[in-house]
Amino acid sequence: NAGVTQTPKFRILKIGQSMTLQCTQDMNHNYMYWYRQDPGMGLKLIYYSVGAGITDKGEVPNGYNVSRSTTEDFPLRLELAAPSQTSVYFCASSYSGRGQGEQFFGPGTRLTVL
Amino acid sequence: RKEVEQDPGPFNVPEGATVAFNCTYSNSASQSFFWYRQDCRKEPKLLMSVYSSGNEDGRFTAQLNRASQYISLLIRDSKLSDSATYLCVVNLDTGRRALTFGSGTRLQVQP
Repeated sequence: NAGVTQTPKFRILKIGQSMTLQCTQDMNHNYMYWYRQDPGMGLKLIYYSVGAGITDKGEVPNGYNVSRSTTEDFPLRLELAAPSQTSVYFCASSYSGRGQGEQFFGPGTRLTVL
Repeated sequence: RKEVEQDPGPFNVPEGATVAFNCTYSNSASQSFFWYRQDCRKEPKLLMSVYSSGNEDGRFTAQLNRASQYISLLIRDSKLSDSATYLCVVNLDTGRRALTFGSGTRLQVQP
């Protein structure tokens, strides 16, 4: 199993450009999440999904959009990139059954907006 | 007040030392508690879950005090490989299983 994979690993955008961060998991997890982590800070939840076709906003959703057409994929779309979106973006997934809810993270995408 | 608060450190300790981190959380309805480890420029990985009765995994011991709303992590016999940032993590909403992360405590174990 590859676990959670993210592409690209790095990206530099100009202000106003758009891009999609890709996230795929092969663990058949229903729950998926997008977080951002700014330097020296904890992770902040952007969007999450409890299953295909269902998405909802997290703590910091402004400037982002998501879709969940399959169980495996959960892309994050940035429209009109701004310097405030410079961050490291982590995608995660978790099992939806009983239990403590451990989340498995992808390796992250480092985004710089200039 | 932050939902999950940690001392950012860094904690600089010699190999073999015992070191303890504490973390406080603000929501008394919190359901689940974890310690994650994050190496420099890497993704967070689960170190251990924290149970009401406390739990131990090798050199690592986690404790939960619901009355005082704090969580602790004790590392005994520190190794160089323990150098990392330790994230205190709380689940405030079991419906979506979204986690709330502390900013992390940085540990540097020195030879």
